Amino acid sequence: QKEVEQNSGPLSVPEGAIASLNCTYSDRGSQSFFWYRQYSGKSPELIMFIYSNGDKEDGRFTAQLNKASQYVSLLIRDSQPSDSATYLCAVRDDKIIFGKGTRLHILP
Amino acid sequence: GAVVSQHPSWVICKSGTSVKIECRSLDFQATTMFWYRQFPKQSLMLMATSNEGSKATYEQGVEKDKFLINHASLTLSTLTVTSAHPEDSSFYICSAQGQAPETQYFGPGTRLLVL
Repeated sequence: QKEVEQNSGPLSVPEGAIASLNCTYSDRGSQSFFWYRQYSGKSPELIMFIYSNGDKEDGRFTAQLNKASQYVSLLIRDSQPSDSATYLCAVRDDKIIFGKGTRLHILP
Repeated sequence: GAVVSQHPSWVICKSGTSVKIECRSLDFQATTMFWYRQFPKQSLMLMATSNEGSKATYEQGVEKDKFLINHASLTLSTLTVTSAHPEDSSFYICSAQGQAPETQYFGPGTRLLVL
């Protein structure tokens, strides 16, 4: 069974520091990788996607993909209290599979 | 782009009634839509995958006769919770599959409270 694994957290990071969120996946044939953010009581929103090995940057967010290690990560620079949320990793092969999410708490 | 709406956002009903939730992709066509349920402090649980013009595919353990899904057009899918009971109270979220990127865009969700 295809799986996407994330540490449930909570991950506590001081304001202004870099938050690093990690995700591993089981299906080596996966082609597309996504990060969603879900605030408490709200639905998930897409924040980044990545297809190729390496880094992809968008503002304070950087997604990193290593297909050989079946590993994808999300870095958040200059963390803000508003970044406190649950971050869902999603991986697509024939369908999209979501991880259970990592709760991130930015400490003011 | 890639906006998905849901209606209603909140619904309170009596036990035994049926509730219909609509999910619309506003600015793109979605051949595939998904219905999730999420209980407080728990992860998303996929209930079913809905393809336009065909029967929905339900995940194991989800009663297809209780959760009726209709995907009559490329922009609309509906979920009907039939004979709702208090244990059906949850946060129901739909998503629609876009094309570029080919990922899922979520609606804002519908909170259902069954009294």
